[in-house]
Amino acid sequence: GAVVSQHPSWVICKSGTSVKIECRSLDFQATTMFWYRQFPKQSLMLMATSNEGSKATYEQGVEKDKFLINHASLTLSTLTVTSAHPEDSSFYICSARGTGDQETQYFGPGTRLLVL
Amino acid sequence: AQTVTQSQPEMSVQEAETVTLSCTYDTSESDYYLFWYKQPPSRQMILVIRQEAYKQQNATENRFSVNFQKAAKSFSLKISDSQLGDAAMYFCASKQGGSEKLVFGKGTKLTVNP
Repeated sequence: GAVVSQHPSWVICKSGTSVKIECRSLDFQATTMFWYRQFPKQSLMLMATSNEGSKATYEQGVEKDKFLINHASLTLSTLTVTSAHPEDSSFYICSARGTGDQETQYFGPGTRLLVL
Repeated sequence: AQTVTQSQPEMSVQEAETVTLSCTYDTSESDYYLFWYKQPPSRQMILVIRQEAYKQQNATENRFSVNFQKAAKSFSLKISDSQLGDAAMYFCASKQGGSEKLVFGKGTKLTVNP
């Protein structure tokens, strides 16, 4: 139980294009989903928290217009990196918290983004 | 504000031996939760073990156990009978009750030597 998937697992795009990453909870309903960014050999940095049907809450320093988050259903959240640039290249991880155990986050496998 | 400190950037252990990873935390809340996550080379974050602050008994999951010292704000992870598959980055994390955020430590890279 508590499986979270992400798609795509990796993506290469040209500078200036937009990239959408999907995060799905496969066997539970996720009232809250989280988006993290991880640089090589570093810890996870929380970018934003999204609740189903509500606007996402962004962490300080994270550009809302650059990283668009949509949490349209209890099993799907999307992160769109708009007008991507090489500095947006990173490993993006989502996690989800269910209606049952509201204290534990379950993580997706991550998406590697490379912007050329 | 919550903080989580992992003072060991790297640790190594011989296969079948026991290793302990350290973690200290700071919180002003009485209601909080502590976690250890494992991130193997695949980079998939895997929940290893979880401890509720109100529980005095140390959590155990098979070969993984914690030593939760509430007064000292210490939450170490013990891995018994280490296996090659245990090699990974281990992150300690805390969450205050009522808050949505997980606060992570910087991680400890565990190497398991055959």
